[in-house]
Amino acid sequence: GIQVEQSPPDLILQEGANSTLRCNFSDSVNNLQWFHQNPWGQLINLFYIPSGTKQNGRLSATTVATERYSLLYISSSQTTDSGVYFCAVGTGANSKLTFGKGITLSVRP
Amino acid sequence: DGGITQSPKYLFRKEGQNVTLSCEQNLNHDAMYWYRQDPGQGLRLIYYSQIVNDFQKGDIAEGYSVSREKKESFPLTVTSAQKNPTAFYLCASSIVTSGRGEQFFGPGTRLTVL
Repeated sequence: GIQVEQSPPDLILQEGANSTLRCNFSDSVNNLQWFHQNPWGQLINLFYIPSGTKQNGRLSATTVATERYSLLYISSSQTTDSGVYFCAVGTGANSKLTFGKGITLSVRP
Repeated sequence: DGGITQSPKYLFRKEGQNVTLSCEQNLNHDAMYWYRQDPGQGLRLIYYSQIVNDFQKGDIAEGYSVSREKKESFPLTVTSAQKNPTAFYLCASSIVTSGRGEQFFGPGTRLTVL
């Protein structure tokens, strides 16, 4: 099956700093989502981005499908950005998502 | 409010017992999914259903069973055959069943086997 690798596995930032989270995948996809998992376990949808670029406030994402990677940018980080960020991809006609192992982000005040 | 609800939030079970986790959605979504998350790991797919009265096994279906009698509901039963049932269980739904639909998640159920 498709492989999803996220990097770096852990990231520590000072409040106000910018960061880039990367997701590499091993096959063509027709679904790619970025999630933020909060301390209570809730998965919050950040972006649905199988290709192209989107922005939402301080967050933006770019997926280059032909090169099989996606990037999540966080600008002017805040302590509330802390948590685990997951990339998940879907392929073909099958609806299921394959998740990466996540990136743990800690933003220090 | 539209959304996905899961109950209970926490569940404790003795070894050898079956237990059923509830998942309900009022988003009028066609497809529903069950995922399992272990500490420090990503989510893995247990079962999914694209239409009422039909469902398919995911990557880790052994020891689990599901039903889809109504569009709004997709309960998951963790049976005594599941070797390591202690985990965080998340239900999701999506509006499009062609693989292009954005999935939305419920708040999850934490199952602990004593």
